[in-house]
Amino acid sequence: QKEVEQNSGPLSVPEGAIASLNCTYSDRGSQSFFWYRQYSGKSPELIMFIYSNGDKEDGRFTAQLNKASQYVSLLIRDSQPSDSATYLCAATTGGFKTIFGAGTRLFVKA
Amino acid sequence: NAGVTQTPKFQVLKTGQSMTLQCAQDMNHNSMYWYRQDPGMGLRLIYYSASEGTTDKGEVPNGYNVSRLNKREFSLRLESAAPSQTSVYFCASSETWGRAYEQYFGPGTRLTVT
Repeated sequence: QKEVEQNSGPLSVPEGAIASLNCTYSDRGSQSFFWYRQYSGKSPELIMFIYSNGDKEDGRFTAQLNKASQYVSLLIRDSQPSDSATYLCAATTGGFKTIFGAGTRLFVKA
Repeated sequence: NAGVTQTPKFQVLKTGQSMTLQCAQDMNHNSMYWYRQDPGMGLRLIYYSASEGTTDKGEVPNGYNVSRLNKREFSLRLESAAPSQTSVYFCASSETWGRAYEQYFGPGTRLTVT
């Protein structure tokens, strides 16, 4: 069974701090990895994708990929209360299919 | 540019009733997907269509059927609804070139089966 695992949280950080979200995946054949943000009662919204080992930065967000360790992370710098949401990690597996983790709830305290 | 649209937004069914969830995208994407999301379980793939004219089973296809009507539209049918199918259903679409295949989601349909 191919899986993507995340800590369900909640992860609580003060406003302005760095939030660090982590995920591991089981399929060594996975090539692309995604982070989605989902507000309560809303649909998932793509934040970033990464497919090369190393870091990828986009504004306050940095995605990190380590294929040897099968590990993906998302750093959110200068966290804001508006970043409070559930963050879903996902990995491609077997062609066009994508497997999602159950998500980590992030709470940013003002 | 509406992105991915879904109808209806909410639905209540009695056990044994049937219904079709509609999905359309205007991004000219080749691939479309149906997921269900239950508390604590993340998104699970029901069916997907890699391109117009093809459909394949995902992780949890039992009790569902799909139709890829054309490049824009992908419908999900529940022939005989069961309480276990109470969930939030999301449709998504993606391109099929490049390396990422990032998916874009519709607003969801909240289905309750009593």
